[in-house]
Amino acid sequence: AQTVTQSQPEMSVQEAETVTLSCTYDTSENNYYLFWYKQPPSRQMILVIRQEAYKQQNATENRFSVNFQKAAKSFSLKISDSQLGDTAMYFCAFIATFGNEKLTFGTGTRLTIIP
Amino acid sequence: DSGVTQTPKHLITATGQRVTLRCSPRSGDLSVYWYQQSLDQGLQFLIQYYNGEERAKGNILERFSAQQFPDLHSELNLSSLELGDSALYFCASSVGTSGFIATQYFGPGTRLLVL
Repeated sequence: AQTVTQSQPEMSVQEAETVTLSCTYDTSENNYYLFWYKQPPSRQMILVIRQEAYKQQNATENRFSVNFQKAAKSFSLKISDSQLGDTAMYFCAFIATFGNEKLTFGTGTRLTIIP
Repeated sequence: DSGVTQTPKHLITATGQRVTLRCSPRSGDLSVYWYQQSLDQGLQFLIQYYNGEERAKGNILERFSAQQFPDLHSELNLSSLELGDSALYFCASSVGTSGFIATQYFGPGTRLLVL
């Protein structure tokens, strides 16, 4: 079974600064995908970024990038030039390529951007 | 807007009752997933349907059941409701092609309150 751990329950950062959210996971699988989802106060789950484990290059989406360390089973999210709209819960999630297609989520990090 | 719709947005009911939550996937998506988000359990996978057939099951209670119809919309039925069933229920959809992990896009959720 897979587990996903987010060790930072809450974080806050000044607007325009850079912040990094941590995520580690445990799996015996070699083929899998990792995701970061954002849940703002509206409670909608919004995909932020996706990383395929077979790709060595770290994924980036505009101000969002990841640091994927497969050997260390670490998958952190970096948000650059943070904006007030980035205030949300952020969930790290894992899915194995083969087997059932369920997402396993971490417990989330509540990020607050301070104006 | 993810393209996944869920109705109703809110539902308030009493213990012992039965409710039905409805989900319409994004156009072209064949897979539908149901997740439960509660304060004590976090985000948990319940069940997946692919093109009308059950594909994977998570920690879904026997009191809960789901189905996917020929038009690909899905319904989650919750019966003999208990206080602990109060949660946010998400539906997600993906292309769901076998052997390829497509991103799951989430609907806005149905907030269920059992009194």
